[in-house]
Amino acid sequence: SQQGEEDPQALSIQEGENATMNCSYKTSINNLQWYRQNSGRGLVHLILIRSNEREKHSGRLRVTLDTSKKSSSLLITASRAADTASYFCATESDFGNEKLTFGTGTRLTIIP
Amino acid sequence: DAMVIQNPRYQVTQFGKPVTLSCSQTLNHNVMYWYQQKSSQAPKLLFHYYDKDFNNEADTPDNFQSRRPNTSFCFLDIRSPGLGDAAMYLCATSRFGGEEQYFGPGTRLTVT
Repeated sequence: SQQGEEDPQALSIQEGENATMNCSYKTSINNLQWYRQNSGRGLVHLILIRSNEREKHSGRLRVTLDTSKKSSSLLITASRAADTASYFCATESDFGNEKLTFGTGTRLTIIP
Repeated sequence: DAMVIQNPRYQVTQFGKPVTLSCSQTLNHNVMYWYQQKSSQAPKLLFHYYDKDFNNEADTPDNFQSRRPNTSFCFLDIRSPGLGDAAMYLCATSRFGGEEQYFGPGTRLTVT
């Protein structure tokens, strides 16, 4: 079964605004990761947050993790046209089974 | 630069004609993954290798096989492609299982 569900499925905002995407998952995890995918390309790792962490920053990205609610959010501040892409969360379960399970993704469009 | 390379980038094959996709990495990572991604969907893990140990997903069709002859290379063989196998195939690596994954650019497979 799909581990991660993301919302919204699609998001359009004006350049310069902040974008927030949410991810929910079902089972206990070791870590949660966010990836970006430009159309027709491979995925690019953005940030990894471990189950004992609550918040992490990387440049214009801020990720939060609430293990009690089994949810995470990705905030992109001061969005740019180049941020237009699909964003996926992915979780490693605490089974430690060497693999990630990807969420359904959010399609983000930044309007210049 | 260390990277994950996939060849070819685009592959057209006929219904039922075997096809092989290749992936190579210069990262010297232990784990290599193959994903199938259909339009507007999340990547779906087909199988992965931890070193030489092969791990097949329960719902991966028998039509899909994989080989990892050495650390650097991994191949995806589709023995008898059907129309439903048309997709983007993504190869990824990670140093250890469950950690950050590095993706190749993907191979877009078309079945005619």
